Amino acid sequence: GAGVSQSPSNKVTEKGKDVELRCDPISGHTALYWYRQRLGQGLEFLIYFQGNSAPDKSGLPSDRFSAERTGESVSTLTIQRTQQEDSAVYLCASSVTGTGWAEAFFGQGTRLTVV
Amino acid sequence: DQQVKQNSPSLSVQEGRISILNCDYTNSMFDYFLWYKKYPAEGPTFLISISSIKDKNEDGRFTVFLNKSAKHLSLHIVPSQPGDSAVYFCAASLLNYGGSQGNLIFGKGTKLSVKP
Repeated sequence: GAGVSQSPSNKVTEKGKDVELRCDPISGHTALYWYRQRLGQGLEFLIYFQGNSAPDKSGLPSDRFSAERTGESVSTLTIQRTQQEDSAVYLCASSVTGTGWAEAFFGQGTRLTVV
Repeated sequence: DQQVKQNSPSLSVQEGRISILNCDYTNSMFDYFLWYKKYPAEGPTFLISISSIKDKNEDGRFTVFLNKSAKHLSLHIVPSQPGDSAVYFCAASLLNYGGSQGNLIFGKGTKLSVKP
């Protein structure tokens, strides 16, 4: 596709269940970022991939959160044993990799609601 | 500990006037600064950026100013239009050892309302 695609767009889950959020970056973009935005808050960094490896996963809030990326393409963010405080919009972005700065393009996000 | 701070959660401006959005940062090693704009139910979209070696960058109605000594940047929108009403995020980036972009660190955003 032309842009960053995230699925599902909305997810309602029961507390304690596991969820998987998917991000399809722009083709050829080797850098991929996950952020979350809780209601009324800013963009909170979660994890950053360069290719299939994650040089910076410092933003993952707990060991219930994990992410992987395969084929330098699709990434999956997994939240185990979801809690109500995990409710947020989860945003994925991708950018090309090269020397210097490159614009990061965002998807529309997955709105996760834990009930 | 926030590395990028936007201390004004909201700003209201009359159409045609100037909007000034402010951002402060704590890490003097940041190489690049960006502004993103976000409408409800959409992902953020890139607006304008500035390298740490410059102090001003202009693109149409949008100008970003960087004051490295004060660790402060601002976005000026002139003239402001109702369609500019959105949340504006300031972000900063560090180049990694390979020279490519590392993480993007965002502020909490400022909601701009431009009134007709």
